[in-house]
Order: sequence, then structure tokens, then C-alpha cells
Amino acid sequence: AQSVTQLDSHVSVSEGTPVLLRCNYSSSYSPSLFWYVQHPNKGLQLLLKYTSAATLVKGINGFEAEFKKSETSFHLTKPSAHMSDAAEYFCVVSDRGDTNAGKSTFGDGTTLTVKP
Amino acid sequence: DGGITQSPKYLFRKEGQNVTLSCEQNLNHDAMYWYRQDPGQGLRLIYYSQIVNDFQKGDIAEGYSVSREKKESFPLTVTSAQKNPTAFYLCASSAGRVAQYFGPGTRLTVL
Repeated sequence: AQSVTQLDSHVSVSEGTPVLLRCNYSSSYSPSLFWYVQHPNKGLQLLLKYTSAATLVKGINGFEAEFKKSETSFHLTKPSAHMSDAAEYFCVVSDRGDTNAGKSTFGDGTTLTVKP
Repeated sequence: DGGITQSPKYLFRKEGQNVTLSCEQNLNHDAMYWYRQDPGQGLRLIYYSQIVNDFQKGDIAEGYSVSREKKESFPLTVTSAQKNPTAFYLCASSAGRVAQYFGPGTRLTVL
């Protein structure tokens, strides 16, 4: 079984300040973890993914995330927020021990607001 | 350019009508998925297909049907049995069990 919890439904930061979006997961097997971004009325775009290689994963647009097995966390960070980062962010877990391709679990999302 | 296309972008349906949402991909991915997204919520899996001529129900399949006659196409039919069909529908594809790539979505509104 797998689950994912995004700890904040809304995060607000000022432009130029750091971003932290928190995600905790549970997984019966070694998980694959993903972060996606969704702008209003758009599809989801993959930001980054962890699939058992380096625990610090760098993604697009300056985002990165660190896989911490001991804390079962995969928090998303960015050193300096830009206005264009305002969007909905989803954390996703997929059990790599699960051979069923359809079994990804999405978090409920975190809305990031960036203030000028 | 490789990618996933969904059409139409906006769709309006009268109660009691069936409607079909299109999803096409040219990424040569074996697996395709349909998700439903409601305001303030994450994505919920409706149906998925790992190979042509085969598909499985997801978590909320009732009132929906799909077909997978071609690798690149995975249309979703929202039937009149779906009690609350107004939502944003997202199609995705993947090469095996790696990250999914999403289409731009179709917003369905029942009048």
C-alpha cells in the first residue's frame, strides 16, 4: 500500500525568497517519487523524479527535492521564488515493487502563491 | 514535437447524454491513463491501459468506459450513468512504470 501527504494546502512566499513544499509518503516497497506542477487549466508538467539514484534530485526551473528515507519525506525546494512559480504542485508516489503501471498515488496538492 | 493531445479543451453536455473525450499520444508509450480532477483535490484514476486491447479499472471507473484499439489512442466515454461528471479530465501516458506525461486536459461541464 502507498500513500502521500502534502502537509500544506497553501504556501505563500515573496518573490526572491526560498520555497519549501512539504511531502511525506508511505510505501510498502522502494518508492519512486515525483513532483508535478500544474498551472491553471493546464495539464501536469513533471518537475523532477526520484527512482533510487542520488537522493538529491535536481529538476527544471531551479527546483530540487531530497529523498529522506528515515523521515519518509520528499520535500520540494527552490532558493528564490519567481512570479511564474505560482501554481499548484503535486507530490506523487509509485511503489517500484508494484508491477501495476496504474498504481501511482497523488497528493491533494499545494497551491503556491508568490507575492511581488 | 512529441506529446499528448486532448480534445476538445472545453466540452458541454446535457444530462443524459454520453460524451467521448479524445486522447492521442505520439510518444510511443505503451501505458495510458485517464484521471479526473475536482477543485482543490488531487487526481483520481479512472481507467488505465498497459497495452493495446487491454485496460483496467482505476479507483473511480463507475459511469465511464474506455477502449484501446490503437497504441496511440485512448478515448474516454463519460456515460449518463456517471452521476457527477462535471470535472477536469486529464490523460497521461508512460513508458512502463516511469513518470507519466500529461495532456493539457478537457474541462467537461454538464448543463
